[in-house]
Amino acid sequence: GQQLNQSPQSMFIQEGEDVSMNCTSSSIFNTWLWYKQDPGEGPVLLIALYKAGELTSNGRLTAQFGITRKDSFLNISASIPSDVGIYFCAGLGTGTASKLTFGTGTRLQVTL
Amino acid sequence: NAGVTQTPKFRILKIGQSMTLQCTQDMNHNYMYWYRQDPGMGLKLIYYSVGAGITDKGEVPNGYNVSRSTTEDFPLRLELAAPSQTSVYFCASSYRDRVSGNTIYFGEGSWLTVV
Repeated sequence: GQQLNQSPQSMFIQEGEDVSMNCTSSSIFNTWLWYKQDPGEGPVLLIALYKAGELTSNGRLTAQFGITRKDSFLNISASIPSDVGIYFCAGLGTGTASKLTFGTGTRLQVTL
Repeated sequence: NAGVTQTPKFRILKIGQSMTLQCTQDMNHNYMYWYRQDPGMGLKLIYYSVGAGITDKGEVPNGYNVSRSTTEDFPLRLELAAPSQTSVYFCASSYRDRVSGNTIYFGEGSWLTVV
């Protein structure tokens, strides 16, 4: 099946710092989705990307759909304590709409 | 806004018991999904449905069954619970649209422990 490599696996940053994480795939995706999951909660959609090269922002979050359609990046600017959580990328491949593949997550912890 | 609602939130089962996780969505989404998430891992697709009366297997379907008699509901059945099914289960739904693509929304999760 399709593989999604998400990095870094975890990161500690200081409040106010910018954060970058990325996902790479062994195959082409038509859609990239970025989710955040807080402890004890379900994933919440942050940003959806539908076109290669697309750059989309949601507040302090910016995500890009890679030109090759095999990667995506998420940036968080000026991190705050509530940014703590696990961030998942997810890619939707060609063919059946249900084949959404998730990355293994990036655990973000913010130190004051 | 209710969105995707799944019950129960927590459940402990004995090995060999059966149970059904309920899922309902009020967004008139045609696609519905069940995922499981093991500790420290991403989500894996168990079963999905592209519309009422249609279901199909995902990546890890063994030990589970589903049905989709209505657009709103997509219950997940565990027939003979095994310790390997201890996990967090997420129901999700989406509406496939050519313009906006396929954005999937998740329920809050059901924590299942099999002992």
